[in-house]
Amino acid sequence: DTAVSQTPKYLVTQMGNDKSIKCEQNLGHDTMYWYKQDSKKFLKIMFSYNNKELIINETVPNRFSPKSPDKAHLNLHINSLELGDSAVYFCASSQEGHRGSGEQFFGPGTRLTVL
Amino acid sequence: DQQVKQNSPSLSVQEGRISILNCDYTNSMFDYFLWYKKYPAEGPTFLISISSIKDKNEDGRFTVFLNKSAKHLSLHIVPSQPGDSAVYFCAAYDSGYALNFGKGTSLLVTP
Repeated sequence: DTAVSQTPKYLVTQMGNDKSIKCEQNLGHDTMYWYKQDSKKFLKIMFSYNNKELIINETVPNRFSPKSPDKAHLNLHINSLELGDSAVYFCASSQEGHRGSGEQFFGPGTRLTVL
Repeated sequence: DQQVKQNSPSLSVQEGRISILNCDYTNSMFDYFLWYKKYPAEGPTFLISISSIKDKNEDGRFTVFLNKSAKHLSLHIVPSQPGDSAVYFCAAYDSGYALNFGKGTSLLVTP
């Protein structure tokens, strides 16, 4: 069973469209994250939710909105897609008790291509 | 501003020899460090970690060394195996929940 899963794995879309990426973890973790890996391969935090509450919101355009329906899911909605949004998006999770330590478990990534 | 730096984008090592991957950081508040391994088209997977109260942590073929005064850590893999060929990311926690990643070093272990 996959610990952290993301759908879809690949997403190709036109500029201006709205799209969503879904993430689910079956590890019972309280904290979930979205990271973006850009064309320079740099992995950067976007958002973090702890028990369905937003705890990290880095400088990300407000076209990006995370939604956590329950602590096992953290979805990422992107409105009005732009060319620069093309990247690989990784979901991750960790146990809340390990704030500032302990590993984060990553999903396989979603490669978003905006044409 | 990048606070975790991996200045070698790639490294090639012969099978059986030692691989040494280096990482430097600038934020003195970092107190927990991790190494992740990543294969193409997969997510990063955790390899080994070290707390700032230690200077060495070992797990099988993998050892991480931390030099706090130099703000430097290194990952040693010995002996290196072809299956170790991957991109290795150094990461550190700040005071919150987020991991700060380096840009990665691509390791190639040749037979």
